[in-house]
Amino acid sequence: QSALTQPPSVSGSPGQSVTISCTGTSSDVGNYNRVSWYQQPPGTAPKLMIYEVSNRPSGVPDRFSGSKSGNTASLTISGLQAEDEADYYCSSYTPSIWVFGGGTKLTVL
Amino acid sequence: QVQLVQSGAEVKKPGASVKVSCKASGYTFTRYYMDWVRQAPGQGLEWMGIINPNGGSTSYAQKFQGRVAMTGDTSTSTVYMELSSLTSEDTAVYYCARRTNWAFDIWGQGTTVTVSS
Repeated sequence: QSALTQPPSVSGSPGQSVTISCTGTSSDVGNYNRVSWYQQPPGTAPKLMIYEVSNRPSGVPDRFSGSKSGNTASLTISGLQAEDEADYYCSSYTPSIWVFGGGTKLTVL
Repeated sequence: QVQLVQSGAEVKKPGASVKVSCKASGYTFTRYYMDWVRQAPGQGLEWMGIINPNGGSTSYAQKFQGRVAMTGDTSTSTVYMELSSLTSEDTAVYYCARRTNWAFDIWGQGTTVTVSS
């Protein structure tokens, strides 16, 4: 069982928006702005998409955005494109260790 | 460019040990912590531990305490992860990942470790 809870799957049509949630506790997500999100297409290594809740690394499209409320962080992808189809993982720092969510499979219909 | 290149796939028997390498290039090796993360087949990501290449201090997830060792070689900009007493549950892809800004910004390509008798 993963430390952070994500929905197993979400889907949307091209051009639509989808949001993936990541629920932790007051010991991790709720207490630190150290939530990050990773995109992992099949057979590839994860790629950083969002760090520190809402910051995008250079090169990540602004269609990807992150937020947090209480113990739940969220990744929103607007203007869905076929290339966005992948698994998405959240991660959070908690003292001395890092925890991940179980992953969410995004299907672009 | 900044990259992490890992060693090739391994097949091990139960009870054996495996040592995976991760060679960094394109940045100052000692300025960034390096973490190891694994992914069992069809499963999610699991954090294993961290090494500070500047000095070699480490911190491991409790699950792997006593069974994992992470080391670094500044002369070759390479970190290593050795996992001992392997069981079938250790079959996974093992990734090294550079840490910055409270996230893992650069990942190795992954090393598949298969444990089978």
